[in-house]
Formats: sequence, C-alpha cells, structure tokens
Amino acid sequence: GDSVTQMEGPVTLSEEAFLTINCTYTATGYPSLFWYVQYPGEGLQLLLKATKADDKGSNKGFEATYRKETTSFHLEKGSVQVSDSAVYFCALLDDYKLSFGAGTTVTVRA
Amino acid sequence: NAGVTQTPKFQVLKTGQSMTLQCAQDMNHEYMSWYRQDPGMGLRLIHYSVGAGITDQGEVPNGYNVSRSTTEDFPLRLLSAAPSQTSVYFCASSPLRISGSNQPQHFGDGTRLSIL
Repeated sequence: GDSVTQMEGPVTLSEEAFLTINCTYTATGYPSLFWYVQYPGEGLQLLLKATKADDKGSNKGFEATYRKETTSFHLEKGSVQVSDSAVYFCALLDDYKLSFGAGTTVTVRA
Repeated sequence: NAGVTQTPKFQVLKTGQSMTLQCAQDMNHEYMSWYRQDPGMGLRLIHYSVGAGITDQGEVPNGYNVSRSTTEDFPLRLLSAAPSQTSVYFCASSPLRISGSNQPQHFGDGTRLSIL
C-alpha cells in the first residue's frame, strides 16, 4: 500500500537558518503530494502541494519539488523565522485516501 | 466562512461509554474523512465517505462507526470507548477530483478525547 516516510525530529534551528525536511513515498498509482503544517493546539493547514512529477509547490517561503525518479518531496526554506516553529507533515493523496508521514517537529530559536 | 467544524473540542469519557464526535462542513464537499493523531504516528485514516449514503473503512476502523446521511455532516461514533482510543481526532473534507486532479483536504481543529 501507499506510505510516506519523513525525517524524524525534533529539529532545532536558529533564526535565518536553512531548513530541509526529507520526505519519500511509496505509491502504486499517481498520487498528489502535500505538506501540511500544524501549529501548537491547532488543526492541520495545507502548506503546499504538487499534483504531478516535476511540479514545484511553494508558499510562505517554503518549497518542495515532486521528484518521481527518487520518489521524494523534500521541504525546504532558505531562512526560517520563530513563527515557523510547528509540526510538519508530508502526505500522499491517492484515490481519495491521504497517507501521512509521522511528522517532524521544528523549533526555531531567536 | 466556517469551513470544517468539529464538536466538542475536548471530551473525557469512562471506559465503556459511548459518544458521537460531530463534524460539519459548509463547502459542499463530497469527500469527508476521519483521522486520529497519535504521537509519533502521524494521522491515520479511520473512515471516509465520497458522498451521502456512501462510507468505507480506512486504516484503523475497529471500534468506530460512521454514517453520511447528508453532504454536510459526517459523525463518528464510539460505541464502547476504550483507553486505546485516547487520541486527537480530526475531520477533513475535500471536493472529489477536479479535471482528474486530486484535491487537498481541509481539516477541522480537532477533538481531544481522553478515555479513562
């Protein structure tokens, strides 16, 4: 079945540092890929998406490229802020079923 | 614009009690689903529905029932609560595919459920 594996955390960074969270997937079909973000005490918010190979999703300075050859969808941000502290989930959507990675907790210190 | 609304936000139950978690969306989405979130495990799909009158099991359906009598509502029922069902529950909705493309799901704020 479909599955998502993402980098384990927690990750602690200083402000303005570069952030990368690795995500790889296994799928039998042609899934769409997403990154969701969960701020403390809140639900999940869609951060960015890519629906086919070589698509690049971007939002709020975050980027991720759908790489079919490496089955990856790594999340990157060039300069993080304290407000980026959250849990980040990589997810795969195929045939209406959403499969999530375990989540990566990111803490950004001033 | 309410989006996906879940009630209650918090609940404590005793083992063996029954309860219904409510989920409503006002976006006319055909697809609705329930997930549970446990530490270190991400979110796991419990049940889902692609339209009124249609439901199906997800990855972890045991101990939970659902029904979809209207497009707007998708309640989740715990018939006999167990401590293993202590979790945070999220409801989500989305349109069905548009032009062949999967659509992202919109999530509610969650229900934090503790079973003693």
